[in-house]
Amino acid sequence: NAGVTQTPKFRVLKTGQSMTLLCAQDMNHEYMYWYRQDPGMGLRLIHYSVGEGTTAKGEVPDGYNVSRLKKQNFLLGLESAAPSQTSVYFCASSYRRRGGLPVYEQYFGPGTRLTVT
Amino acid sequence: AQKITQTQPGMFVQEKEAVTLDCTYDTSDPSYGLFWYKQPSSGEMIFLIYQGSYDQQNATEGRYSLNFQKARKSANLVISASQLGDSAMYFCAMRETFTDKLIFGTGTRLQVFP
Repeated sequence: NAGVTQTPKFRVLKTGQSMTLLCAQDMNHEYMYWYRQDPGMGLRLIHYSVGEGTTAKGEVPDGYNVSRLKKQNFLLGLESAAPSQTSVYFCASSYRRRGGLPVYEQYFGPGTRLTVT
Repeated sequence: AQKITQTQPGMFVQEKEAVTLDCTYDTSDPSYGLFWYKQPSSGEMIFLIYQGSYDQQNATEGRYSLNFQKARKSANLVISASQLGDSAMYFCAMRETFTDKLIFGTGTRLQVFP
């Protein structure tokens, strides 16, 4: 299993450009998440999905859109990049056992370092 | 609203000594989970240990143990016999009950010196 993968690993954008970050997991997880990490602020949730075809806003959703058309993929889009979106972006996934009991951990991807100039 | 507080921006510890990283939390949910993650300089997030709010005993995983004091709403990470490879950022996080969303603290940078 590859676990959680993220594409690309690094990207530099100019203000106003758009891009899509791809997260893929091969563990058949129901739940997927996008976080951003900024210096001194820990990780903050952008959007998340509790199943194929569903998405919901997290703590800092403005300026981002997401889609979960396939269970294994979770896409994060920036329609018009701004310097404030310079950050490291992490994708994560998790699953629940039968009966709905959550498992212990979220599985994280390696991160995408995005710089907006 | 749920909140995680890590009040130690940085900690130093000598190799082979034990160190405690503090974490306090705030929630009104009766059921919750607490996590610790390690983030080395390479950037990946590594799961260390988990404590459920109804677990009777403190969680342990090798050299990691979680000092869970429910009444005080604290979930401190104890690393015994520190190693140079333990130098990293450490994040405490709490899981929301129905969405599994993680709420992270701001982290503690641990530096282990010889």
